[in-house]
Amino acid sequence: QVQLQESGPGLVKPSQTLSLTCTVSGGSISSGSYYWSWIRQPAGKGLEWIGRIYTSGSTNYNPSLKSRVTISVDTSKNQFSLKLSSVTAADTAVYYCARAFSGWYYDYWGQGTLVTVSS
Amino acid sequence: DIQMTQSPSSLSASVGDRVTITCQASQDISNYLNWYQQKPGKAPKLLIYDASNLETGVPSRFSGSGSGTDFTFTINSLQPEDIATYYCQQYDNLPPVFGPGTKVDIK
Repeated sequence: QVQLQESGPGLVKPSQTLSLTCTVSGGSISSGSYYWSWIRQPAGKGLEWIGRIYTSGSTNYNPSLKSRVTISVDTSKNQFSLKLSSVTAADTAVYYCARAFSGWYYDYWGQGTLVTVSS
Repeated sequence: DIQMTQSPSSLSASVGDRVTITCQASQDISNYLNWYQQKPGKAPKLLIYDASNLETGVPSRFSGSGSGTDFTFTINSLQPEDIATYYCQQYDNLPPVFGPGTKVDIK
């Protein structure tokens, strides 16, 4: 059974860079037709897609965040990571990592991690 | 970006009722639509993919239909464990966009 687990600081100061890692267990991040994605959800609000990476390293980002987002993959550690720069309070949210089967069906999710942007 | 709307934003129904949620896309997305269930404090769970296909292990009381711009999600015989927020998600093109959600609770 595939499992995903987010990790990283729960508190980030404004203007700094948010960094999260998603560790995948129960299967190789390199196998299959999967995209590995980040999705966030501000408290009480809906879901916002941040971006995705294929194991080849190919990435796609949400245009609304593209200038601040970097997603990378480390196949040796079975992990992928998110960096979001120049954060503000508007970036406070629960951040989920997820597997997208065939690029589009989010069939496995991490439990989510709350990141608060505050000084 | 394609915009997604859902209605109603919330609803209250009795156990055993049939519940219907609609999702509308701002342009034709064929059948490139998924439905998710999110319970409080939990990650979303994929229920329906390609507008009408039931994900493995999901109870058959859940169903979806539609194509183009108008889609419907139905729970036949609402159960107490179905209390959740339901989201549609288009994937006709990038970025994938989720609808604003419909909160379902028990009357």
